[in-house]
Amino acid sequence: DAKTTQPPSMDCAEGRAANLPCNHSTISGNEYVYWYRQIHSQGPQYIIHGLKNNETNEMASLIITEDRKSSTLILPHATLRDTAVYYCIVRGFHAGGTSYGKLTFGQGTILTVHP
Amino acid sequence: DVKVTQSSRYLVKRTGEKVFLECVQDMDHENMFWYRQDPGLGLRLIYFSYDVKMKEKGDIPEGYSVSREKKERFSLILESASTNQTSMYLCASSPLAGPKFYEQYFGPGTRLTVT
Repeated sequence: DAKTTQPPSMDCAEGRAANLPCNHSTISGNEYVYWYRQIHSQGPQYIIHGLKNNETNEMASLIITEDRKSSTLILPHATLRDTAVYYCIVRGFHAGGTSYGKLTFGQGTILTVHP
Repeated sequence: DVKVTQSSRYLVKRTGEKVFLECVQDMDHENMFWYRQDPGLGLRLIYFSYDVKMKEKGDIPEGYSVSREKKERFSLILESASTNQTSMYLCASSPLAGPKFYEQYFGPGTRLTVT
């Protein structure tokens, strides 16, 4: 699975859009981009995933560049409760073996939303 | 609203005790997972199950076993607890196949301390 690179930390003002970037330059054609977040002392929370088209749900939007080498998670109106570590993960599908099913979280981006 | 529940938020056990961690999901998901999360080591997969009575080892199965007698319930068993099993334990579930396999929903976690 492709390696991802994220900035270690970002700040955002409450009510503004938070744009979190992720580089995945070695992504292959059948690999999806997933975003999770983890608020302090809670379990990780699935946010969104995509292959090549932009995706939107009630939590966020995911913009994937045309060459698929990078993506941006957008929280349109950040609130204080969005302060968390955000993880970008790239996963393909390899049946069998211990990697199948495993989510691997890197260091992620610590997003701090300020009043 | 999707829900994964874990039997305890905090647990303190003594070395050598047999420990049972229970996880229940109400989403009719086929897949269920047990991870542990430690500072600096990230999320590590212990076991997962893709069907009732089926199980697959993850990265760190030693010292653990699992049981899945019903679709909604996945139990993690520490046969003889040791201090190096002090950790945050996270249960997750996901649909069976395709990209939603990695759309995993996590419980709140059980912080286990072995003394």
